[in-house]
Amino acid sequence: NAGVTQTPKFQVLKTGQSMTLQCAQDMNHEYMSWYRQDPGMGLRLIHYSVGAGITDQGEVPNGYNVSRSTTEDFPLRLLSAAPSQTSVYFCASSYSYASGANVLTFGAGSRLTVL
Amino acid sequence: KQEVTQIPAALSVPEGENLVLNCSFTDSAIYNLQWFRQDPGKGLTSLLLIQSSQREQTSGRLNASLDKSSGRSTLYIAASQPGDSATYLCAVRRTGGSQGNLIFGKGTKLSVKP
Repeated sequence: NAGVTQTPKFQVLKTGQSMTLQCAQDMNHEYMSWYRQDPGMGLRLIHYSVGAGITDQGEVPNGYNVSRSTTEDFPLRLLSAAPSQTSVYFCASSYSYASGANVLTFGAGSRLTVL
Repeated sequence: KQEVTQIPAALSVPEGENLVLNCSFTDSAIYNLQWFRQDPGKGLTSLLLIQSSQREQTSGRLNASLDKSSGRSTLYIAASQPGDSATYLCAVRRTGGSQGNLIFGKGTKLSVKP
């Protein structure tokens, strides 16, 4: 099925550990992004990419790295996990960044707990 | 700075009622506005997208309107059903360069009672 696939769905980390959340889409979407969703805070943009080799920071980028080596994949790396990074993470993509007509498609989310 | 507000935060209605969810935004310089649905423990599903040049969009029992000048959008749900129970989020996409990403409201949690 076409769509945005996120792995893992659940993860528990200890403070200081590193890990990568994977995101892949098979729709040839140009634009990909990572959001975190926290109670009372809504969805906040972490990083985004408008094409392979191009990434930029969103609203809350500290503690996270991204890269976009292919059109399909946009992994999110936590360098040294902190309890404040406990959250639900969503990857989202759309066909074109430039067009105002393109719907954003979301993955099912990755729930991360940092102890 | 663009801010998006959704009121009310929660809403409970009996089945069959027509209802309106509200979304307001502070900066009228937007590309589009999207309404999403989120079921518990799930991702977001796009319901309707209204481009900045449009006034409304319809899909089945859903109708979304956009008034850029007043910074408001409404999502109208006709003949509500228990299956409509979910959290509804609106998001605006700002115009221009690196600012062209979505800004989300915190959502309205809808409960439709049988």
